[in-house]
Amino acid sequence: RKEVEQDPGPFNVPEGATVAFNCTYSNSASQSFFWYRQDCRKEPKLLMSVYSSGNEDGRFTAQLNRASQYISLLIRDSKLSDSATYLCVVKEPNTGGFKTIFGAGTRLFVKA
Amino acid sequence: DTGVSQDPRHKITKRGQNVTFRCDPISEHNRLYWYRQTLGQGPEFLTYFQNEAQLEKSRLLSDRFSAERPKGSFSTLEIQRTEQGDSAMYLCASSSLGQGAGYTFGSGTRLTVV
Repeated sequence: RKEVEQDPGPFNVPEGATVAFNCTYSNSASQSFFWYRQDCRKEPKLLMSVYSSGNEDGRFTAQLNRASQYISLLIRDSKLSDSATYLCVVKEPNTGGFKTIFGAGTRLFVKA
Repeated sequence: DTGVSQDPRHKITKRGQNVTFRCDPISEHNRLYWYRQTLGQGPEFLTYFQNEAQLEKSRLLSDRFSAERPKGSFSTLEIQRTEQGDSAMYLCASSSLGQGAGYTFGSGTRLTVV
């Protein structure tokens, strides 16, 4: 089982739609969670951290479910500019302190 | 400070040649990371530094790869005797201390080995 798994998609949605992505992680000791956005042939950029109580940033809502070991990202009122790959990122403890693992990403296409 | 800078942006090299990439992190960040990314995959961890100390190296990092951060500021990643399988985007990121700190990535160096 991969340490961090995401549905690769692609998700094709119309403008204005609500779309949700899930990401599962294998290490129950994982401590920090993030969503990054990556545009085609660009570097990943931090979208938001994911807090235990869930958190919202404008149209984006992130949730953490420790019992089931998954995090989610909900995008409301999708815009064309939301088209990108969304990377799930998990930090887990290791002998060097912690290690950061990236999922392979979920591709989103928002259509007019 | 304009963020994380990487140089060069693109590098085409012949198999067997050595290449070196440079990364200038955000000056306030103690940690510097190197990742490699291929098409359709997420970034794969290669190595990281805290200040000038290289604290961890991935099993992915063969003996042909070496990284340095001599003064705790910029870092270099060298690949010796390049192979076609080394073709990838090499991403550098920096962060502050703390497990809750997110990464700021540079634009990457795209390596093509022909």
